Amino acid sequence: GAVVSQHPSWVICKSGTSVKIECRSLDFQATTMFWYRQFPKQSLMLMATSNEGSKATYEQGVEKDKFLINHASLTLSTLTVTSAHPEDSSFYICSARDQSGVGYYEQYFGPGTRLTVT
Amino acid sequence: AQSVSQHNHHVILSEAASLELGCNYSYGGTVNLFWYVQYPGQHLQLLLKYFSGDPLVKGIKGFEAEFIKSKFSFNLRKPSVQWSDTAEYFCAAYNQGGKLIFGQGTELSVKP
Repeated sequence: GAVVSQHPSWVICKSGTSVKIECRSLDFQATTMFWYRQFPKQSLMLMATSNEGSKATYEQGVEKDKFLINHASLTLSTLTVTSAHPEDSSFYICSARDQSGVGYYEQYFGPGTRLTVT
Repeated sequence: AQSVSQHNHHVILSEAASLELGCNYSYGGTVNLFWYVQYPGQHLQLLLKYFSGDPLVKGIKGFEAEFIKSKFSFNLRKPSVQWSDTAEYFCAAYNQGGKLIFGQGTELSVKP
């Protein structure tokens, strides 16, 4: 099956700094990628939809100036957490939609990135 | 708002017991429903999906789910669980905006 990778798998940063997380579709092209956030023992909350070549669309309540998304190519989307604070500590998961088929577009998930802000 | 809900937060079973995890969605019309599994330390994997046709869907690892339109439900079942089924299970659905939304998740612990 299709593979989605994320880098880094975990990162620790100091409060006030920025952190960039990469999401790559390894063997398919993805015009649409999604960023989710998962708190411990909780569900995945959709943060934003990343569209190749255009601006990301953010879900209600997600600060677009804090969570910068860039989808510069058909295989790469990045999420930058700017001026990170301890409350941004979480598990961030990306997903890429394989639109090569007909009709149904399957979403594949990356392994996630654990962010800890100290 | 469209939503997906899972009623069981944590289920504990012994090996060989039968499993049923509940999932309900809040809206009518065309629905695309999924069950995902997240093993400890691993990424989400698709267990099965329903788009149309036979409401009884068979997935990987012996799992199946039944779509009951009148009950807005899509429960996950397995006749005999194994210790290796210990994981977090998520029900999900595409909302009318084409975005995948998830239920709260159910943690399954299988005792050997």
